[in-house]
Amino acid sequence: AQSVTQLGSHVSVSEGALVLLRCNYSSSVPPYLFWYVQYPNQGLQLLLKYTSAATLVKGINGFEAEFKKSETSFHLTKPSAHMSDAAEYFCAVHYGGSQGNLIFGKGTKLSVKP
Amino acid sequence: DGGITQSPKYLFRKEGQNVTLSCEQNLNHDAMYWYRQDPGQGLRLIYYSQIVNDFQKGDIAEGYSVSREKKESFPLTVTSAQKNPTAFYLCASSIVSGGELFFGEGSRLTVL
Repeated sequence: AQSVTQLGSHVSVSEGALVLLRCNYSSSVPPYLFWYVQYPNQGLQLLLKYTSAATLVKGINGFEAEFKKSETSFHLTKPSAHMSDAAEYFCAVHYGGSQGNLIFGKGTKLSVKP
Repeated sequence: DGGITQSPKYLFRKEGQNVTLSCEQNLNHDAMYWYRQDPGQGLRLIYYSQIVNDFQKGDIAEGYSVSREKKESFPLTVTSAQKNPTAFYLCASSIVSGGELFFGEGSRLTVL
């Protein structure tokens, strides 16, 4: 079965430090890839998406992600963490086909220390 | 403003009662989805609908039911058959099936 793996359920960084959240998918066929962010007791909002146009994708709030086919990875990064980045982040993959729904990772909760 | 409205935001239910969660969208999206979120488990798909009057079961449909009588509306009923209904429920929509999802603010259901 297709799957999405997010390494690390919790990540803690200091304000101003690099943020790196990891996501790996299970297929060798390039899928559509997404990162979503969720603040407490709210819905999810899209940070960025990869749809095969470019391997480095820039999103909102200074986040970006790089699609690496050889590593089946789509890690999310931000050069300098801000307190407002504290939230839960979800990687999601769409493998195509008629059913057309996304498969979500289990999420990574990011804490930012002052 | 276009978006997805879920209601109620918080809901308490006694065991054995059915409860219906509302989801309305004014984005003119064809596809709509219901997800369940539990701590540490990510999002799990309950039901989805790609067109009016049609819907399909997701990964955890047992104990839930839906209807799609209008393009704008996709209500979810949590029935008494659902063994562990306490969770955060998220409704979403997309222009096309499998595309970028737009989420509502969620409904938190607690069974007393």
